[in-house]
Amino acid sequence: GPKVLQIPSHQIIDMGQMVTLNCDPVSNHLYFYWYKQILGQQMEFLVNFYNGKVMEKSKLFKDQFSVERPDGSYFTLKIQPTALEDSAVYFCASSDNSQNTLYFGAGTRLSVL
Amino acid sequence: QQKVQQSPESLIVPEGGMASLNCTSSDRNVDYFWWYRQHSGKSPKMLMSIFSNGEKEEGRFTVHLNKASLHTSLHIRDSQPSDSALYLCAASMATGGNNKLTFGQGTVLSVIP
Repeated sequence: GPKVLQIPSHQIIDMGQMVTLNCDPVSNHLYFYWYKQILGQQMEFLVNFYNGKVMEKSKLFKDQFSVERPDGSYFTLKIQPTALEDSAVYFCASSDNSQNTLYFGAGTRLSVL
Repeated sequence: QQKVQQSPESLIVPEGGMASLNCTSSDRNVDYFWWYRQHSGKSPKMLMSIFSNGEKEEGRFTVHLNKASLHTSLHIRDSQPSDSALYLCAASMATGGNNKLTFGQGTVLSVIP
């Protein structure tokens, strides 16, 4: 089936550094999403993105977070600067329209030290 | 308070048995329910979706929805060891929701040979 690839699978960084998480969505999809899962908790919506713009963001999407997809390349989540509480697994997803199935990647585990 | 509650947290069934998983939303604005399955270290994959009252069957999997109580259940008959995974229930709105999924914490299913 359609695959969403996330790179890297695990990232370890020092607090205060910048990190970029990369997502290669399904090729014909137009809607993109980031979800955050802290260990032992449910996956929570961070942001969705369509036509070059953020459509909606949750309160978890702090000012230090940003997303973009320049020229159809990777859909990225950038955190600058990182904080200890940003340690989590970040899942990327894509869909072909605003009401259809979301296809998820396997997640990037971010460890902030 | 979590908006999507799943029960039980974990479930053990023998191979060939029936597994029944439950999910209830406390948000009366939701219209769609989704069931995802996630094997350890892999991406969540959509298993079944249901948007109307009643029942939907696909192979060994049956999903029920009661829109009045916002309760959905997933039943797996003739369970196989390969069905062992984390099962995630999610809810979304039909319109105006930007396809934002609200997830429960999941049910860990173990099928014992």
